[in-house]
Amino acid sequence: AQTVTQSQPEMSVQEAETVTLSCTYDTSENNYYLFWYKQPPSRQMILVIRQEAYKQQNATENRFSVNFQKAAKSFSLKISDSQLGDTAMYFCAFYNTNAGKSTFGDGTTLTVKP
Amino acid sequence: NAGVTQTPKFQVLKTGQSMTLQCAQDMNHEYMSWYRQDPGMGLRLIHYSVGAGITDQGEVPNGYNVSRSTTEDFPLRLLSAAPSQTSVYFCASSTGTPNTGELFFGEGSRLTVL
Repeated sequence: AQTVTQSQPEMSVQEAETVTLSCTYDTSENNYYLFWYKQPPSRQMILVIRQEAYKQQNATENRFSVNFQKAAKSFSLKISDSQLGDTAMYFCAFYNTNAGKSTFGDGTTLTVKP
Repeated sequence: NAGVTQTPKFQVLKTGQSMTLQCAQDMNHEYMSWYRQDPGMGLRLIHYSVGAGITDQGEVPNGYNVSRSTTEDFPLRLLSAAPSQTSVYFCASSTGTPNTGELFFGEGSRLTVL
């Protein structure tokens, strides 16, 4: 079974600054995907970024980038130039391709302060 | 674009009552799943399906039933509601081709059991 750990229950950052959210996972699988999802107060779950485990290159999406360390089983999210709209809960998720199911971390609540 | 539609969005039940949370997707996704989200915790997998006629248990299946008679629909049944089932429920779908595990979520259903 896979486990996903987000060790930072809450974080805050000043607007326009950079923040990094941590995620570690445990698996014996070789074929998997990793995700960061955002859940704003509206409760809607929104995909932020995706990383294929077989790719060494870190994924980037505009102000969002990841630091994927496969050997260390670490998958952190960096948000650059933080905006007030980034205030949300962020979930790290592991997708087991063979089983067809996902495992989520407990989330990190991020507050961007003006 | 409807995407994933969940109904109802809010429901209050008394202990022992039964109900069905409906979930429908119009993206022809093979995979569908149900999660529950409790305060301070991430999403926990209740049941999932990799195709019509196929279902399997997730982490927390007790007290819930599912069926998948069509590709589009994946209802979640609470047989005899208990206060411990008070939670926010999310339905999600993903395509199996390519099998990346990117989840598309419904808006969530808040269930309160008194």
